[in-house]
Amino acid sequence: DSGVTQTPKHLITATGQRVTLRCSPRSGDLSVYWYQQSLDQGLQFLIQYYNGEERAKGNILERFSAQQFPDLHSELNLSSLELGDSALYFCASSVWTGTGMSDTQYFGPGTRLTVL
Amino acid sequence: TQLLEQSPQFLSIQEGENLTVYCNSSSVFSSLQWYRQEPGEGPVLLVTVVTGGEVKKLKRLTFQFGDARKDSSLHITAAQPGDTGLYLCAGPTLTGANNLFFGTGTRLTVIP
Repeated sequence: DSGVTQTPKHLITATGQRVTLRCSPRSGDLSVYWYQQSLDQGLQFLIQYYNGEERAKGNILERFSAQQFPDLHSELNLSSLELGDSALYFCASSVWTGTGMSDTQYFGPGTRLTVL
Repeated sequence: TQLLEQSPQFLSIQEGENLTVYCNSSSVFSSLQWYRQEPGEGPVLLVTVVTGGEVKKLKRLTFQFGDARKDSSLHITAAQPGDTGLYLCAGPTLTGANNLFFGTGTRLTVIP
């Protein structure tokens, strides 16, 4: 158990819909990262938050957005869903404070999104 | 553009055999990490290599970082069924913000 929790574990929805994925980081971790894992693209970095502020963006579509709340949990919002958005979405957290050496990221168990 | 290519993509071996997985790039990385991911779970960090030529051992797993810091290898001695999983190498992205760029992955199956 990494200490990172994600809900829901599975999500099935239809094209055009909007969903919200939730992540609670490990206690004390200020940085939250979202990754997408699909069969054709592998595991890709989407977006990172540090202490409530967006810190870095990766290959995140404009239809996707995220935020980190004052209690440090994070939500990833996916809208106008397409078949190709079906994937595993992972949240990770770390103690990284914004500067200095990289540190270990701890991954949650993921949310499997299926778009029909 | 960053690219981490892993080979082989799939590997199926008998228990007790040795194997090596490779992670190659044309770019220089300040560090590389190796993760193992089991079905239904997120990736779990195995090791971080930082110095060119560095060798790290974790029980039956030996990790090496290339001298030029463009490649890495993972060698498993006497593989066991518990080693089955997806092995991913990863390096820091160009954002400088501690997020990761992952390799294409090697799916290992160890047959009892």
